[in-house]
Amino acid sequence: SQQGEEDPQALSIQEGENATMNCSYKTSINNLQWYRQNSGRGLVHLILIRSNEREKHSGRLRVTLDTSKKSSSLLITASRAADTASYFCATAPMYSSASKIIFGSGTRLSIRP
Amino acid sequence: NAGVMQNPRHLVRRRGQEARLRCSPMKGHSHVYWYRQLPEEGLKFMVYLQKENIIDESGMPKERFSAEFPKEGPSILRIQQVVRGDSAAYFCASSQQGALETQYFGPGTRLLVL
Repeated sequence: SQQGEEDPQALSIQEGENATMNCSYKTSINNLQWYRQNSGRGLVHLILIRSNEREKHSGRLRVTLDTSKKSSSLLITASRAADTASYFCATAPMYSSASKIIFGSGTRLSIRP
Repeated sequence: NAGVMQNPRHLVRRRGQEARLRCSPMKGHSHVYWYRQLPEEGLKFMVYLQKENIIDESGMPKERFSAEFPKEGPSILRIQQVVRGDSAAYFCASSQQGALETQYFGPGTRLLVL
């Protein structure tokens, strides 16, 4: 799999339930970011977590980072219909140039009313 | 504070024509990135620019594609002699201090090559 691979590829849950998405990567990173993309729209930045951080919160979002397992998870609590979107993780690899971030292929989240 | 602006939002070209995509970064941002997204896929890095300099173009196809970020004006992604395979959404992002900081994305330009 490529750097920044999300799991599952698609997730459908009932409104009000919690949604968990995972991201695995291969090389050491400086940071990892989660983005949301509504259909046909641009990306909205959600959270950036640095390699020396283990957990961050923002409203109903909780992101964890386990550098020993090279994985991250995004938890959305009390899901709403408006959370329906694709969610991408993006890693900033620890290259010498550190000039780009690498996106996974995303998790498509659907919230059923 | 306006976000990242891209225009046009939609662009239709016939094979062999040129496509010019424009990106104005957020105010105060001097780092610009271009990405390409095919349907149902993630974004693929193309190029990273600072004012008047290309920093990393490792994701750019070797031919027909070029990018610039002049001292004045928007960043331009130029695709010459477009082919059907160039049809995609092209996103621009900007940041204040390079890729280790948050990148803010524009709404994208959807290019369709007929």
